[in-house]
Amino acid sequence: KQEVTQIPAALSVPEGENLVLNCSFTDSAIYNLQWFRQDPGKGLTSLLLIQSSQREQTSGRLNASLDKSSGRSTLYIAASQPGDSATYLCAVRPGGSEKLVFGKGTKLTVNP
Amino acid sequence: DGGITQSPKYLFRKEGQNVTLSCEQNLNHDAMYWYRQDPGQGLRLIYYSQIVNDFQKGDIAEGYSVSREKKESFPLTVTSAQKNPTAFYLCASSIAKGQGRDTQYFGPGTRLTVL
Repeated sequence: KQEVTQIPAALSVPEGENLVLNCSFTDSAIYNLQWFRQDPGKGLTSLLLIQSSQREQTSGRLNASLDKSSGRSTLYIAASQPGDSATYLCAVRPGGSEKLVFGKGTKLTVNP
Repeated sequence: DGGITQSPKYLFRKEGQNVTLSCEQNLNHDAMYWYRQDPGQGLRLIYYSQIVNDFQKGDIAEGYSVSREKKESFPLTVTSAQKNPTAFYLCASSIAKGQGRDTQYFGPGTRLTVL
């Protein structure tokens, strides 16, 4: 059974710092991996999707990498801003499945 | 203006009542999903549908029911059999089954509270 773990559960950094969020998964047989952002009381916003054949994806200040063989992904946020404060969720789509398996998220606080 | 809408935003239920949560999308997506989110937990899949008039149980389907009569709509009913329904419910949709290329797009959610 696929399991997704996100470490740390919470992270607080000063504005301007570069930071890395971690995601690990137990089964490397995946179609893709997605990173989402969730603001309090809101739905999820897709940030980046990495296909199983890809190593990384970039969007603005965000860069996500995927190492399928080791079951790891990282989300790199450059020059963090207070507006980046949110919970970041990682999800994998197991091979042969229509479902997403989610981690519990990392709650990020960027202090001005 | 394409997207996913959920209503109501807040819903209160008395013990023993059935309630229905609405989810509508105008993205022309084939697949739709219902998730439940509890504090400090990841999302858990309740039901999903890949095509009209067909749906499958997710990991926590007990006490819930769905229908998919139209491509745009995927309502979720929380029945009295669901013992702990207080949670945040999220609906999502994606373009197509297979290929593994599809992003899931989420609605704003409905917060259900049992009184």
